[in-house]
Amino acid sequence: SQQGEEDPQALSIQEGENATMNCSYKTSINNLQWYRQNSGRGLVHLILIRSNEREKHSGRLRVTLDTSKKSSSLLITASRAADTASYFCATDVYQAGTALIFGKGTTLSVSS
Amino acid sequence: DTEVTQTPKHLVMGMTNKKSLKCEQHMGHRAMYWYKQKAKKPPELMFVYSYEKLSINESVPSRFSPECPNSSLLNLHLHALQPEDSALYLCASSHDRDEQYFGPGTRLTVT
Repeated sequence: SQQGEEDPQALSIQEGENATMNCSYKTSINNLQWYRQNSGRGLVHLILIRSNEREKHSGRLRVTLDTSKKSSSLLITASRAADTASYFCATDVYQAGTALIFGKGTTLSVSS
Repeated sequence: DTEVTQTPKHLVMGMTNKKSLKCEQHMGHRAMYWYKQKAKKPPELMFVYSYEKLSINESVPSRFSPECPNSSLLNLHLHALQPEDSALYLCASSHDRDEQYFGPGTRLTVT
């Protein structure tokens, strides 16, 4: 089953520009996480925001969460070519146990 | 050690074969996961083990059989797979509801 929808599906920017990706979900969540995946390899965790938090920062990353609108955004500032990857939001929704439901993802291309 | 290892990296198997995927972590995480990922799609949850017990099975066909021999190891036994089962199989682990650590995956091709 799929919970999250990312927008846009693909994003192309120049180095130094900011990249914003949005995620919408359908049910109430325990937390929302963002992951990066390079070329079909393993996923790397970027940031976790809990349902009672509204904003979180980590280095060049800024995540917001609006539980009333069931949406989140990921901002990457001053993008680098190395940021080229697929980005997924994932929601922790299960009451018993813990597991993630991933959104469809945004493919980001950063050109130099 | 914050690494999740998966073996093999690549696997090609016929529809009548039996094979196993292995996953190992030494971070003391008590939750371990199997995900399946098709090309250009997000990972899809298959199984969750919590404290070595199967806690979530996302209606996965019985030709996939998970096993958790101990808190550090997770196996996925494969039997009589179909070509549509070809995908990247990802293992992950986590401490409770924290971030998940993913292995590099096993790329499976069923011929």
